Amino acid sequence: GESVGLHLPTLSVQEGDNSIINCAYSNSASDYFIWYKQESGKGPQFIIDIRSNMDKRQGQRVTVLLNKTVKHLSLQIAATQPGDSAVYFCAEIGAGGTSYGKLTFGQGTILTVHP
Amino acid sequence: DGGITQSPKYLFRKEGQNVTLSCEQNLNHDAMYWYRQDPGQGLRLIYYSQIVNDFQKGDIAEGYSVSREKKESFPLTVTSAQKNPTAFYLCASSRDDRGSGYTFGSGTRLTVV
Repeated sequence: GESVGLHLPTLSVQEGDNSIINCAYSNSASDYFIWYKQESGKGPQFIIDIRSNMDKRQGQRVTVLLNKTVKHLSLQIAATQPGDSAVYFCAEIGAGGTSYGKLTFGQGTILTVHP
Repeated sequence: DGGITQSPKYLFRKEGQNVTLSCEQNLNHDAMYWYRQDPGQGLRLIYYSQIVNDFQKGDIAEGYSVSREKKESFPLTVTSAQKNPTAFYLCASSRDDRGSGYTFGSGTRLTVV
């Protein structure tokens, strides 16, 4: 079946360090990937996305890398701040068949930033 | 401002009762979705609708029902057949069925008492 999973369930970093959150996906037909940040009791908040025709995309303090060969996705957060503490999810959108247009989420990584 | 509104934020249900969660969007999005989230877990798809008057079951549709009579509204009913309804429910919408402009609501926390 299709699945999107995360390698590390928790990540603790010091303020100012760079953070890297990883994600593995299994559906090689997926063509759109999104990273979300979710704070306690709130809905997921869009961080950055990437299409399968790209390897890298940068935003403000965040970079997403896509390695289609090994079906791996990562989110890099530069100069991590306490306000970055949250659960981070990667998600994929299926490109065909029964998964077309549906967002499939990974388990999530809890990022804790220590001052 | 455009967005998705879910109501209520907190909902308590007695065992055996049906409850309906509201989801309204003014983004003019074609597709809408309902997800369930349990503590420490990711989101699982309950139902989705890519066009008015049409909807499909997601991965965990048993015990739930939906309707899509209007483009902007996609209410979810949690029926008494849902054995473990206590969870955080999230509604989302996207411009099209490819997921463009995916946007989430702020969620409804349902507790069975």
